[in-house]
Amino acid sequence: DVKVTQSSRYLVKRTGEKVFLECVQDMDHENMFWYRQDPGLGLRLIYFSYDVKMKEKGDIPEGYSVSREKKERFSLILESASTNQTSMYLCASSAAEAFFGQGTRLTVV
Amino acid sequence: KNEVEQSPQNLTAQEGEFITINCSYSVGISALHWLQQHPGGGIVSLFMLSSGKKKHGRLIATINIQEKHSSLHITASHPRDSAVYICAASGGGADGLTFGKGTHLIIQP
Repeated sequence: DVKVTQSSRYLVKRTGEKVFLECVQDMDHENMFWYRQDPGLGLRLIYFSYDVKMKEKGDIPEGYSVSREKKERFSLILESASTNQTSMYLCASSAAEAFFGQGTRLTVV
Repeated sequence: KNEVEQSPQNLTAQEGEFITINCSYSVGISALHWLQQHPGGGIVSLFMLSSGKKKHGRLIATINIQEKHSSLHITASHPRDSAVYICAASGGGADGLTFGKGTHLIIQP
């Protein structure tokens, strides 16, 4: 059974903290993505990666960075968390079809 | 940039009814995805379509490439079908999906 696994389902962090969201896939996919999902706005692309150590900005990269040191792992980093980064974060990987993690609901207080 | 529109935004129906959710997109795509998200749950890929029609159980997805339109149908709807259904267009590259804002479906017993 193919899997995209996100490290946490729920996280609560304080403003200014550095936050790491981890995503691991076991399908040997080259393409991996981070999205955030907000009511009324839907899913928006933050960053994506098409190969190890390669990264590209999506539609809303401000306040985020990413790391892809190994093919199976794509990390989203909030350098200094802010309350407007409270959201559901979804990781995906794809070849032709996309597969999603279960999501991480991050609350920044 | 592709624009993906879904309708309706919200749909409440009685158990057993035939359900149709529509999705239109603005530019050519390599594939159209239908996704399902249960409350508090992760996102599951239901279908990936590049032409024609696919069926899985009570779910049917169709796509008309010329009209840039896809539909998701649910036959004999059941309360467990209550979820948010999201369509997403893929341009075929490594730059991810463009998502519709989702259709919130409630099936009442």
